[in-house]
Amino acid sequence: SQQGEEDPQALSIQEGENATMNCSYKTSINNLQWYRQNSGRGLVHLILIRSNEREKHSGRLRVTLDTSKKSSSLLITASRAADTASYFCATAPLFTGFQKLVFGTGTRLLVSP
Amino acid sequence: DGGITQSPKYLFRKEGQNVTLSCEQNLNHDAMYWYRQDPGQGLRLIYYSQIVNDFQKGDIAEGYSVSREKKESFPLTVTSAQKNPTAFYLCASRTGRVRGTDTQYFGPGTRLTVL
Repeated sequence: SQQGEEDPQALSIQEGENATMNCSYKTSINNLQWYRQNSGRGLVHLILIRSNEREKHSGRLRVTLDTSKKSSSLLITASRAADTASYFCATAPLFTGFQKLVFGTGTRLLVSP
Repeated sequence: DGGITQSPKYLFRKEGQNVTLSCEQNLNHDAMYWYRQDPGQGLRLIYYSQIVNDFQKGDIAEGYSVSREKKESFPLTVTSAQKNPTAFYLCASRTGRVRGTDTQYFGPGTRLTVL
């Protein structure tokens, strides 16, 4: 069962703008991860944030985690056309230990030149 | 060149046939996973394996079978019992040895179409 819901389902912006996508989940987690998927390809891991962390940065990516609201956001700054892809959040629920990830439904990002 | 390979990239199946999707990794990872992705959807877990000769059902295991005879290989068979097998199938692996580092590494996927 999928427990992650992402918002918006689709996002269209111009190059240079920032893109923000949100993820909500239902159960307590060990960590939350964000992945990117280019059309017709496999997923690529972007960033992992642990349940005791509130914010994490990696290059142009900024992830926040609010465990009290069971939500996370991914910010991509200064977007490029190459950022066009689907973005998925994935949670490692506490009750599964570290065995399984539960993926959200994804946000489709289109960055126009 | 380390990573996960899946073959074939495209697969066509007639109704009533079983087909096997290959997944191989040379990352020395203990855990391997199979996911199904339908158009515009997220990933749903079919089966996963933590160690050789052991595997567990995921959320949508009906109509699928797997084996884990070698650490490097985790093939998925889509049987005729799977009523709607047309989808994109993704294999992934994870080191499994260090708690808290459960990042998964994905293969390029196999697109299965039932004719």
